[in-house]
Amino acid sequence: AQSVTQLDSQVPVFEEAPVELRCNYSSSVSVYLFWYVQYPNQGLQLLLKYLSGSTLVKGINGFEAEFNKSQTSFHLRKPSVHISDTAEYFCAVSDFTNDYKLSFGAGTTVTVRA
Amino acid sequence: NAGVTQTPKFQVLKTGQSMTLQCAQDMNHEYMSWYRQDPGMGLRLIHYSVGAGITDQGEVPNGYNVSRSTTEDFPLRLLSAAPSQTSVYFCASSSRGRLMTQLFFGSGTQLSVL
Repeated sequence: AQSVTQLDSQVPVFEEAPVELRCNYSSSVSVYLFWYVQYPNQGLQLLLKYLSGSTLVKGINGFEAEFNKSQTSFHLRKPSVHISDTAEYFCAVSDFTNDYKLSFGAGTTVTVRA
Repeated sequence: NAGVTQTPKFQVLKTGQSMTLQCAQDMNHEYMSWYRQDPGMGLRLIHYSVGAGITDQGEVPNGYNVSRSTTEDFPLRLLSAAPSQTSVYFCASSSRGRLMTQLFFGSGTQLSVL
């Protein structure tokens, strides 16, 4: 079975500053990796995903993530945040044997301040 | 373009009461699932279905029942509500191809059990 650890529960950041959200996973088989975002009082929506190929993945709203197999990590980055990026971010993993069963991390709350 | 529709948005129950959370999707997705979201714990999979007539347990199935009589609908039943079931519940669906695509989430049901 796979699992996900998000290393920061809360990340405060000033507007236009960069942000990095850390995610580590464990799995005995190859994995698919995802980042989802949840804006206040809404459901989750997909930011980006890694299935195979290039380890640098670009998503919506200027976010990107890098898959590092040796470090079992999938950190999310944005070079310059906006107030509208205030949200909760979830890292998720599924493995090749059960690709429809996602395991989610506990979430990281990003608060962007002016 | 409705996507995934959950009803009700809010519900308050007394311990021991039963109720059904409704979920419907109009994207002809084979895969549907129910998650619960609790603070600091991310999303945990309750039950899932890979097609009409097929359901299976996730990581936290106790106290919940599901059925999948049509492709569109996937209701979640609480037979005898307990305070530990106070949570936000999300229904999600996905097409089930060779590679995982993405989950589409409903807007959630906030359930309080007194």
